[in-house]
Amino acid sequence: DTAVSQTPKYLVTQMGNDKSIKCEQNLGHDTMYWYKQDSKKFLKIMFSYNNKELIINETVPNRFSPKSPDKAHLNLHINSLELGDSAVYFCASSPGGGVAGELFFGEGSRLTVL
Amino acid sequence: KQEVTQIPAALSVPEGENLVLNCSFTDSAIYNLQWFRQDPGKGLTSLLLIQSSQREQTSGRLNASLDKSSGRSTLYIAASQPGDSATYLCAVRTSGSRLTFGEGTQLTVNP
Repeated sequence: DTAVSQTPKYLVTQMGNDKSIKCEQNLGHDTMYWYKQDSKKFLKIMFSYNNKELIINETVPNRFSPKSPDKAHLNLHINSLELGDSAVYFCASSPGGGVAGELFFGEGSRLTVL
Repeated sequence: KQEVTQIPAALSVPEGENLVLNCSFTDSAIYNLQWFRQDPGKGLTSLLLIQSSQREQTSGRLNASLDKSSGRSTLYIAASQPGDSATYLCAVRTSGSRLTFGEGTQLTVNP
């Protein structure tokens, strides 16, 4: 059983399109995250949700909108895709709302914008 | 603002060597520090988590230490194997749920 699963794994699309990436965790964790890994492999947090509530919203364009229908799911919708959005997007989860929990990552979704 | 630096950026060693990867952070007010491994085209696998009150954690051939006051952590890998080849990432947890990553050390263990 995959603990944190993301779909799709690969996504190739044209500039200007709208796309979504889905994430699900079966660990019973309360907190979920979206991270972006750029071409230089640097990982940076984008959003974090705790029990469906947004708790971290980094300075990302408004074109990125996370949605958490329940605490096991955190989806990322991107409008009007741009070339610079090409990256690998990682979903992660951790237990509880506190700070001591270990993070578990999904396999990543590689987005390529042409 | 927390900044995490990992040295070296890349390391190539022969099989069997013991090695040390370094991680430093600028703000010592951390809750914990986590070491990850990332294989090419894959996600991150958690290796060790050290809480701020702890000095070290061990798992198999891996040992991670934490010196919070000096803002440093090391990951020690004993008797390295080709299967250890990967990028190793250090991340520190500060306020709330924020985890700040270093840029990683790319390790190659040659048979």
